[in-house]
Amino acid sequence: NAGVMQNPRHLVRRRGQEARLRCSPMKGHSHVYWYRQLPEEGLKFMVYLQKENIIDESGMPKERFSAEFPKEGPSILRIQQVVRGDSAAYFCASSPSRGTFTWELFFGEGSRLTVL
Amino acid sequence: KQEVTQIPAALSVPEGENLVLNCSFTDSAIYNLQWFRQDPGKGLTSLLLIQSSQREQTSGRLNASLDKSSGRSTLYIAASQPGDSATYLCAVRQGGSEKLVFGKGMKLTVNP
Repeated sequence: NAGVMQNPRHLVRRRGQEARLRCSPMKGHSHVYWYRQLPEEGLKFMVYLQKENIIDESGMPKERFSAEFPKEGPSILRIQQVVRGDSAAYFCASSPSRGTFTWELFFGEGSRLTVL
Repeated sequence: KQEVTQIPAALSVPEGENLVLNCSFTDSAIYNLQWFRQDPGKGLTSLLLIQSSQREQTSGRLNASLDKSSGRSTLYIAASQPGDSATYLCAVRQGGSEKLVFGKGMKLTVNP
């Protein structure tokens, strides 16, 4: 059972370009979460998705950021017109459905975005 | 608003010591608490998860306790080894919320 898969692991973009980060949850997991880790900061919640639905995007910046989790394929975190302040590690996590008692989160290796 | 604090931010110890890592949170209405390990440039590895109704969980040399009323959790590492060197993160899930709120982590260095 493969873990949470994220790609790319490293991404370099120039200011104004777009960044697309992908996340495939663990097999059997239907909940996906995105977190951002800025240098010297803790992880901050961005968005929580289930298949085809955004459940909670309260941690997502209102502009330039969007996320989706389509019926088929990975979850995508999209950052448009990147700025230097977007440089960070972006982590995806997944968990089983709510029917599972523990609701434990499993994280991917992260995607490290550098904006030049 | 839930806040999670981990003090100290860094700890350096000789090999073999028994360690205590502290985590405190401001709102005791939590659903569960999870301890993670993060190696440099890597993702988070889940170590232990404690439900709000539990007092402690154990896995090998690790033992995590939870005192919800006082807003504290402690991670004990017995007989520390250089391979335990990493950043340890504490995170709480609020009751009724999908989010984990993380502390900033404690960077542990175990010297041979």
